[in-house]
Amino acid sequence: DGGITQSPKYLFRKEGQNVTLSCEQNLNHDAMYWYRQDPGQGLRLIYYSQIVNDFQKGDIAEGYSVSREKKESFPLTVTSAQKNPTAFYLCASSGTGGAYGYTFGSGTRLTVV
Amino acid sequence: SQQGEEDPQALSIQEGENATMNCSYKTSINNLQWYRQNSGRGLVHLILIRSNEREKHSGRLRVTLDTSKKSSSLLITASRAADTASYFCATDGPAGTALIFGKGTTLSVSS
Repeated sequence: DGGITQSPKYLFRKEGQNVTLSCEQNLNHDAMYWYRQDPGQGLRLIYYSQIVNDFQKGDIAEGYSVSREKKESFPLTVTSAQKNPTAFYLCASSGTGGAYGYTFGSGTRLTVV
Repeated sequence: SQQGEEDPQALSIQEGENATMNCSYKTSINNLQWYRQNSGRGLVHLILIRSNEREKHSGRLRVTLDTSKKSSSLLITASRAADTASYFCATDGPAGTALIFGKGTTLSVSS
């Protein structure tokens, strides 16, 4: 079955530590996205990529980094510069060039300990 | 940047009743989408309506779009307990960018 997989489901980060969240899709989608969701809030865009080897900052990119070396993969690194990283992180993918709905992964819940 | 704002923030109804959620946005759009999120899960795409469409149906869902008022509504008819979830509207940004989501409406359907 085609889909989008995020791992791990739960992640704990110590102060000053970098952590990487994985996002893999087998939908042959060109575009991929990372959103952050805080309790009771909507989704805020961190980074997005419309094509391999290219990505753009979203509204809250500070303290995060991404790479897009393969079409299927769009990992997100939460760096120590992100002072408040505790949140629910959602990865999504879609087709490009038109009006497409997004397919979301099941999310990674990151907690600072 | 927050484009869409859903109203109400929370809605509680009984099974069998209809649920209506509204979304207002600020700038012109090409399309508007509605998503559902069950607690602790990813979002699921429900329906997309283009700016030149006024109404769209999918099963028990009915979406309307009024571009002159920059607003959309999602109607769920004959609600079931399984419809309990948060519902988000999302609008497209400039070409080549990403969807912008509102804060959502939390729907609770009790049996």
